[in-house]
Amino acid sequence: DTAVSQTPKYLVTQMGNDKSIKCEQNLGHDTMYWYKQDSKKFLKIMFSYNNKELIINETVPNRFSPKSPDKAHLNLHINSLELGDSAVYFCASSQDPRTQYFGPGTRLTVL
Amino acid sequence: KQEVTQIPAALSVPEGENLVLNCSFTDSAIYNLQWFRQDPGKGLTSLLLIQSSQREQTSGRLNASLDKSSGRSTLYIAASQPGDSATYLCAALGGKLIFGQGTELSVKP
Repeated sequence: DTAVSQTPKYLVTQMGNDKSIKCEQNLGHDTMYWYKQDSKKFLKIMFSYNNKELIINETVPNRFSPKSPDKAHLNLHINSLELGDSAVYFCASSQDPRTQYFGPGTRLTVL
Repeated sequence: KQEVTQIPAALSVPEGENLVLNCSFTDSAIYNLQWFRQDPGKGLTSLLLIQSSQREQTSGRLNASLDKSSGRSTLYIAASQPGDSATYLCAALGGKLIFGQGTELSVKP
């Protein structure tokens, strides 16, 4: 059973489009995260939700909007995509913030 | 503001060699230090997690050490194998998880 899953695995789209990435965890964790890994492989946290409430919001453009419909899901919606948004986006979850479980990543390519 | 740095950025070694990957962090107020492995196009696999009160953790051929006072952690890989080829990331947990940029390891047969 996959603990943290993301869809889609790959996403190729044009500049200016709006797209969503979905994340689901079946671990019963209270906290979920979104990370961005850029072309230099630098992983940085974007958002964190605890029990559907936003607790970490890094300096991310407001074109990025996370949505947590329930504790097991944290989706990432991106408006007006730009070239610089091309990256791998990782979802993670944790019950104890000291141990986070990562999803397989979604590779977003903006043309 | 926490900054995590990994040296070297890339490393190529022949099979069987013992090797050390280095990680340094600027803020010693951390809960733990974690080492991850990332294979090309894949997600992150947690290798070892060292709590702030611990000095080291071992798993098989891997040994990770933590020196909070000097802001350093090392990952020691014994008897390296081609299957160890991957990018290794360290991450320090304070209020949030801060990652280094990784060391890309290539083990040649």
